[in-house]
Amino acid sequence: SAVISQKPSRDICQRGTSLTIQCQVDSQVTMMFWYRQQPGQSLTLIATANQGSEATYESGFVIDKFPISRPNLTFSTLTVSNMSPEDSSIYLCSVDVQETQYFGPGTRLLVL
Amino acid sequence: GENVEQHPSTLSVQEGDSAVIKCTYSDSASNYFPWYKQELGKRPQLIIDIRSNVGEKKDQRIAVTLNKTAKHFSLHITETQPEDSAVYFCAATPGGYQKVTFGTGTKLQVIP
Repeated sequence: SAVISQKPSRDICQRGTSLTIQCQVDSQVTMMFWYRQQPGQSLTLIATANQGSEATYESGFVIDKFPISRPNLTFSTLTVSNMSPEDSSIYLCSVDVQETQYFGPGTRLLVL
Repeated sequence: GENVEQHPSTLSVQEGDSAVIKCTYSDSASNYFPWYKQELGKRPQLIIDIRSNVGEKKDQRIAVTLNKTAKHFSLHITETQPEDSAVYFCAATPGGYQKVTFGTGTKLQVIP
């Protein structure tokens, strides 16, 4: 398995601002993933982050809105840019360990 | 791409009864099927998984069955307890760092 931490755990932001979410893993992993989970909904993949290359975004998500960094094998950041109330959600990072995904605790974001 | 359907969306059972959650998938390339439990305000936690070369797997009160021909898999919880109350997600993936597709979730309520 893997121990994953995220910062911040929650935040309240004003529309038009940006928030960067950090994800730290206790071991080196090849792939890290960022998900969004809206209240009462399932998990939607935003993008896949591989160290040393550009993140791969899913349909409906773009780099300008959700820039991702992956500077090393244990760390990644997701930025939610130019936020609107529709971005209010839980953002989770996850890692793939032997084909099993393990999730961070999530960042609960409220945009006013 | 892969599409995972999950039923029912909500399920109420009396404590001690069994609960069954069913999922279907569309991509015949999928060969790994994890199940996650998400308690309120918590991260999704892997509870059991099954690979395509196995038809059934059991872990104490939890079992998962897979029918590759019909492209469906199910989670069975026996002797349910109040602490089993949570949202359960099925998922499917071809593995090899490829995308994991989640079902829509089943909210299980175990009534004492």
